[in-house]
Amino acid sequence: NAGVTQTPKFRILKIGQSMTLQCTQDMNHNYMYWYRQDPGMGLKLIYYSVGAGITDKGEVPNGYNVSRSTTEDFPLRLELAAPSQTSVYFCASSMTGASYEQYFGPGTRLTVT
Amino acid sequence: AQSVAQPEDQVNVAEGNPLTVKCTYSVSGNPYLFWYVQYPNRGLQFLLKYITGDNLVKGSYGFEAEFNKSQTSFHLKKPSALVSDSALYFCAVRDEEGDNAGNMLTFGGGTRLMVKP
Repeated sequence: NAGVTQTPKFRILKIGQSMTLQCTQDMNHNYMYWYRQDPGMGLKLIYYSVGAGITDKGEVPNGYNVSRSTTEDFPLRLELAAPSQTSVYFCASSMTGASYEQYFGPGTRLTVT
Repeated sequence: AQSVAQPEDQVNVAEGNPLTVKCTYSVSGNPYLFWYVQYPNRGLQFLLKYITGDNLVKGSYGFEAEFNKSQTSFHLKKPSALVSDSALYFCAVRDEEGDNAGNMLTFGGGTRLMVKP
């Protein structure tokens, strides 16, 4: 059981480039999330999804886009990368309901120079 | 709005001694509280949660946490620390009465636990 997988593990982008961070879960979870973690900081929610075809903004959505065409996949798109988007990105998923814990992927370390 | 505070950036403890990592929260309704651990270059791993019931919650790796409603706290504890417990610990909260459709959590800033031999 792989859980939540993310690709790539590392990426360096030049300013203005675009890329997609991939996230897949095999636990049949309806809820999925994207967070960013800046050095020495906690996690900030970028976008979330409560099911296929449904997405919504979190705390820091600017500069990002998401889609959810299947239950398993929740890619995060960065358009026109900026140095402020240098961070570690985590995808997570959970069962439906407020009391359920989230399961996290291993993260993608992104540097924009 | 919901919020979480972890007042200590770092906690140092000797191996074999008890450890406490502090967490206080603020929500409008009843809280759902979680502790996660992050080892270097890894994602967060769930440790334990309080939803309802007994105020003392037991979780993975010998950790436990005590929910105190009057003090709005949910401190993480372990009777005897191990060097391998050294990691970054995050407290998180969700308001049971939140109006968001998603299971959104608010995370604290994290506390680095250093256990020395």
